[in-house]
Amino acid sequence: EPEVTQTPSHQVTQMGQEVILRCVPISNHLYFYWYRQILGQKVEFLVSFYNNEISEKSEIFDDQFSVERPDGSNFTLKIRSTKLEDSAMYFCASSEVGQGAYGYTFGSGTRLTVV
Amino acid sequence: SQKIEQNSEALNIQEGKTATLTCNYTNYSPAYLQWYRQDPGRGPVFLLLIRENEKEKRKERLKVTFDTTLKQSLFHITASQPADSATYLCAYDLTGGGNKLTFGTGTQLKVEL
Repeated sequence: EPEVTQTPSHQVTQMGQEVILRCVPISNHLYFYWYRQILGQKVEFLVSFYNNEISEKSEIFDDQFSVERPDGSNFTLKIRSTKLEDSAMYFCASSEVGQGAYGYTFGSGTRLTVV
Repeated sequence: SQKIEQNSEALNIQEGKTATLTCNYTNYSPAYLQWYRQDPGRGPVFLLLIRENEKEKRKERLKVTFDTTLKQSLFHITASQPADSATYLCAYDLTGGGNKLTFGTGTQLKVEL
């Protein structure tokens, strides 16, 4: 079964530092997403990405966040200057088609801890 | 504002029984609803999707119904097993474009021997 791979599984960073979370989506998927889940809370949408550009983003996804697909396989989320409240699980997801017609495949997540 | 609500109380049932989980939404009528399973510390795993013109969808021991009049989806697991213990999330796309899922808080299911 194809998987979405995320690295690292756990990252600890100091407040104010930049972090890059990495994802390798499923190879024939065209739509990519980042979600986050603060401990004990809902899974929240951050951003969707298609055809090398952002298609939608939430109010959480402010100027401190950026996404990139630097090559044909990786999809990254950068947080420029981390805050304590950025501590959460970050999930990458991908889908073959848009409109979630066949559901999304999520990775296992990166647990980000900002200290 | 649009909301998607799941019973936040955990559901404990005995092995072999049918588990029924509820997802209610307000205002906006989604074109489809998705159901996911989430284990602790893991990402959501897609289970089923049901469209607004479908009353029911089945996959092995899983069944989902969608009642657009009641604004409700029910998720059933028949012949439940301890391995079914997890948190189950419903989700839909408010924009209709399918690129921005809004998740419910999830219902934790525990299947006991």
